[in-house]
Amino acid sequence: DTAVSQTPKYLVTQMGNDKSIKCEQNLGHDTMYWYKQDSKKFLKIMFSYNNKELIINETVPNRFSPKSPDKAHLNLHINSLELGDSAVYFCASSQGVEETQYFGPGTRLLVL
Amino acid sequence: GENVEQHPSTLSVQEGDSAVIKCTYSDSASNYFPWYKQELGKGPQLIIDIRSNVGEKKDQRIAVTLNKTAKHFSLHITETQPEDSAVYFCAASRAAGNKLTFGGGTRVLVKP
Repeated sequence: DTAVSQTPKYLVTQMGNDKSIKCEQNLGHDTMYWYKQDSKKFLKIMFSYNNKELIINETVPNRFSPKSPDKAHLNLHINSLELGDSAVYFCASSQGVEETQYFGPGTRLLVL
Repeated sequence: GENVEQHPSTLSVQEGDSAVIKCTYSDSASNYFPWYKQELGKGPQLIIDIRSNVGEKKDQRIAVTLNKTAKHFSLHITETQPEDSAVYFCAASRAAGNKLTFGGGTRVLVKP
């Protein structure tokens, strides 16, 4: 009974390709997030959606485009992948903007 | 914006001893301070959190203290066990579901 799930778990691709990462939560939450964890383990927020509306958009290149088809899903599409995009991407969810965030298991992206 | 500093970056303790991790933050409007534990290959898991109207919170072997005047908060783990070995992150935000700003992480190793 996974709470926040992500697919794929691992993603290895060539520079210049376009790829997507999917996130689903079965907690009934209405707010979802994408975080990036670099090779030094530093975690930084990228986006946040509340009820399918974008509420946080950090200074992320516009090659990254989040899409929320419904409250339970928040996908991340990345165009023209670059070497520096290699990282672990975590999805998280919370009930509203006042409650705890729960993280998924992460997607390990390696760009060659 | 918010800046969170975390120390130490690595911490090695003998099983049964206590471990203390300290964080400072810069935004006086921050009022939510969670601590996450990240095991190898997994996503961050919330272990305890504290809000600014509380100075201390305890959950079994884990406690967190908050000093809003000095803008710092600490995690205390007593009677450490080998399964406490992980990377621990502090974070701060203006609300629980708002943008979390993470510290750089502390790698804790509990030696049997």
